[in-house]
Amino acid sequence: GAVVSQHPSRVICKSGTSVKIECRSLDFQATTMFWYRQFPKQSLMLMATSNEGSKATYEQGVEKDKFLINHASLTLSTLTVTSAHPEDSSFYICSARDQGGQETQYFGPGTRLLVL
Amino acid sequence: KQEVTQIPAALSVPEGENLVLNCSFTDSAIYNLQWFRQDPGKGLTSLLLIQSSQREQTSGRLNASLDKSSGRSTLYIAASQPGDSATYLCAVMPGSYIPTFGRGTSLIVHP
Repeated sequence: GAVVSQHPSRVICKSGTSVKIECRSLDFQATTMFWYRQFPKQSLMLMATSNEGSKATYEQGVEKDKFLINHASLTLSTLTVTSAHPEDSSFYICSARDQGGQETQYFGPGTRLLVL
Repeated sequence: KQEVTQIPAALSVPEGENLVLNCSFTDSAIYNLQWFRQDPGKGLTSLLLIQSSQREQTSGRLNASLDKSSGRSTLYIAASQPGDSATYLCAVMPGSYIPTFGRGTSLIVHP
């Protein structure tokens, strides 16, 4: 099946720094990618929808200036957590929609962010 | 607003049992429904995808059913094994393709 990769898988950073997370669709093109956040023992919460070549659409309550999303190509979307704080520590997962298949969403392995 | 509920929230069973995980949703206008598995600290693995026009899908020991009219889906796991221990998430996809996830069922299969 289709594969979505995320990099890095785990990152620890100091408060106030910025962290970039990459999401790549390895063997298909994805005009739409999604970014989710998951707190411990909770379900995934959609943060934003990333569309190739246009601005991302953010869910209510998600700060667009803090979580910068860039979908520069059909296989790559990036999420940058700017001026990270300890409360940003979470598990971030991306997914990519394969328009050539059954409109299935394929999920990346996730990135665990810890802000000290 | 679509709401997805998964029951039970947690389940602990001995190896070999057949299991049924339940997922219910409030808005039947869905495009498809997906069942995922999530191991601790890991991302999601898609298990089964059921299109709105389908009633069930099977993959190995897994069988998922969909009843749109009643807003329900079940994931049946036959002959459970310790390796099946994980959290199982149900996600309902509307036409906009932005899914709504349930909170998951945490499954432990002990030897």
